[in-house]
Amino acid sequence: DIQMTQSPSSLSAFVGDRVTITCRASQSISRYLNWYQQKPGKAPKLLIYAASSLQSGVPSRFSGSGSGTDFTLTIGSLQPEDFATYYCQQSFTTPYTFGQGTKLEI
Amino acid sequence: QLQLQESGPGLVKPSETLSLTCTVSGGSISSSSYYWDWIRQPPGKGLEWIGSIYYGGNTYYNPSLKSRVTMSVDTSKNQFSLKLSSVTAADTAVYYCARQYSSSSGTPFDYWGQGTLVTVSS
Repeated sequence: DIQMTQSPSSLSAFVGDRVTITCRASQSISRYLNWYQQKPGKAPKLLIYAASSLQSGVPSRFSGSGSGTDFTLTIGSLQPEDFATYYCQQSFTTPYTFGQGTKLEI
Repeated sequence: QLQLQESGPGLVKPSETLSLTCTVSGGSISSSSYYWDWIRQPPGKGLEWIGSIYYGGNTYYNPSLKSRVTMSVDTSKNQFSLKLSSVTAADTAVYYCARQYSSSSGTPFDYWGQGTLVTVSS
């Protein structure tokens, strides 16, 4: 299985901050990397697919980059509604695997 | 707007079989562009992919669960289902159904159900 490792596991920030979350794959996954946002008691929501493509309806302050094994999710200017847990996920090969999550807190 | 809704028992006894159904509305399950998936999340933990099914019946399972998982699709009802046998407390989780969009750019999970908590306990 491809292991996905996110860092940090948790992050404290303020409204207006620029935040970056990192995801590393245990082997090359080209650009088959997706990012999700999950709020308590809710299903995950797709933010970014194919490493850098913004899902329809997602604010432009979210951006993704990377290829191969190293990827980043950047939130340009944190808004109150962005405080949540973020997961990366590889769709390069089955079994599809997720990172352990990054909890973004105030 | 596409919607997915999980249904099934919220409590299953150890050693029995967990059975869930996902009903898709606002779109056809028979589209060639999509796979239909089950993903689970134990309380307070991360996400685990269980498996995928195509409307034609092709299935792909997580090897860690493969011996216990069966997925099926009913195109006439626009539903797909999950059966997980010989459950233990470790199978207690929120179970999500999701749509997986298939393209040359990748295969993200773009629509999710709200999730249903299944507790394994006697």
